[in-house]
Amino acid sequence: SAVISQKPSRDICQRGTSLTIQCQVDSQVTMMFWYRQQPGQSLTLIATANQGSEATYESGFVIDKFPISRPNLTFSTLTVSNMSPEDSSIYLCSARTGATEAFFGQGTRLTVV
Amino acid sequence: QKEVEQNSGPLSVPEGAIASLNCTYSDRVSQSFFWYRQYSGKSPELIMSIYSNGDKEDGRFTAQLNKASQYVSLLIRDSQPSDSATYLCAVNIEPGNQFYFGTGTSLTVIP
Repeated sequence: SAVISQKPSRDICQRGTSLTIQCQVDSQVTMMFWYRQQPGQSLTLIATANQGSEATYESGFVIDKFPISRPNLTFSTLTVSNMSPEDSSIYLCSARTGATEAFFGQGTRLTVV
Repeated sequence: QKEVEQNSGPLSVPEGAIASLNCTYSDRVSQSFFWYRQYSGKSPELIMSIYSNGDKEDGRFTAQLNKASQYVSLLIRDSQPSDSATYLCAVNIEPGNQFYFGTGTSLTVIP
């Protein structure tokens, strides 16, 4: 299994600003994923981040709003840009290798005011 | 998002009973399936994975997979109040190995 450290754990941000969430894995992984989870809802995949290539975004999510970096096999960041109250949510990073199970960071609880 | 549906909740069962959680998926080429448990305010944690048709047992948990029917289920025997959580079905979609979650089922085990 992999241990994933995600930070910040929570933040309150002003609308129009940006927040970068960091995710550090204790071992090399081929795939990292970013999810959003609204209160009481399931996880919605934002994008897949593979090292050495551009992130692949799901329908409804765009790079200008959620730029992602994956500089190496243990680290990724997600930026939530030009935030609005609708971006208030929990953001989770996840890592896996191949078709194995996914492991999750602790999540970032974002509130936009 | 790929379609992964779970039986609507919330589900309540008495302590000691069997809880049955169901999941259907739309992508016929899916090969890997996972059940996660998520306590309120926490990240999902893996309960079981299943890759082949049939049953897979791990303690009080049994996962069942039927690829022809595109159906995967989780049975929890001798349910305990500590099992009260949201259960998420996850499906691996190839070739990109994206990981999609179902809608989730909230389970409450009543003492």
